[in-house]
Amino acid sequence: NAGVTQTPKFQVLKTGQSMTLQCAQDMNHEYMSWYRQDPGMGLRLIHYSVGAGITDQGEVPNGYNVSRSTTEDFPLRLLSAAPSQTSVYFCASSRANSPLHFGNGTRLTVT
Amino acid sequence: TQLLEQSPQFLSIQEGENLTVYCNSSSVFSSLQWYRQEPGEGPVLLVTVVTGGEVKKLKRLTFQFGDARKDSSLHITAAQPGDTGLYLCAGANTGNQFYFGTGTSLTVIP
Repeated sequence: NAGVTQTPKFQVLKTGQSMTLQCAQDMNHEYMSWYRQDPGMGLRLIHYSVGAGITDQGEVPNGYNVSRSTTEDFPLRLLSAAPSQTSVYFCASSRANSPLHFGNGTRLTVT
Repeated sequence: TQLLEQSPQFLSIQEGENLTVYCNSSSVFSSLQWYRQEPGEGPVLLVTVVTGGEVKKLKRLTFQFGDARKDSSLHITAAQPGDTGLYLCAGANTGNQFYFGTGTSLTVIP
């Protein structure tokens, strides 16, 4: 029973590099979202999707891109990494009007 | 914009003590959830409250949703070391968007 799977678990990037954080869920949830967690800030929504082919911006979308070609996958792309993007990133999925199921996070450091 | 404020931000208590964590907002939510997060893991749902004034109990944890559905509290009775973790409240709107509080880091000392 995998739930929400995020890879990689840890990543170190240099400023200006690009990378993709992977997220997959096997619960057939229509809603998927990406959050970043910083000390004292709680979880802030980056991007979300209400179904395959549909994405929208959250509270802090700048510097990130997403796409949702399948129900299962929701990758997060950093186009040109900046030190301000050092954070722990969480992917979550849910059904409509239901609680979030989270992955175990990706800890990203940008130097 | 931080829609939900939690207090206190940090709490360190002795085993057996009681505590209350508060989650306050000026916004009305269709539901409010409490999650607990342990180091290196994602948050895990504890409870969802939907109706204003609703009280839910989960063993030694008591959750209350304010009458106006803008605030909530989590009360733990006789805290145990296993209760240690980060507690997060999250308000949901009708568009299935979730707004998280700033978090309360609880340490229960044996």
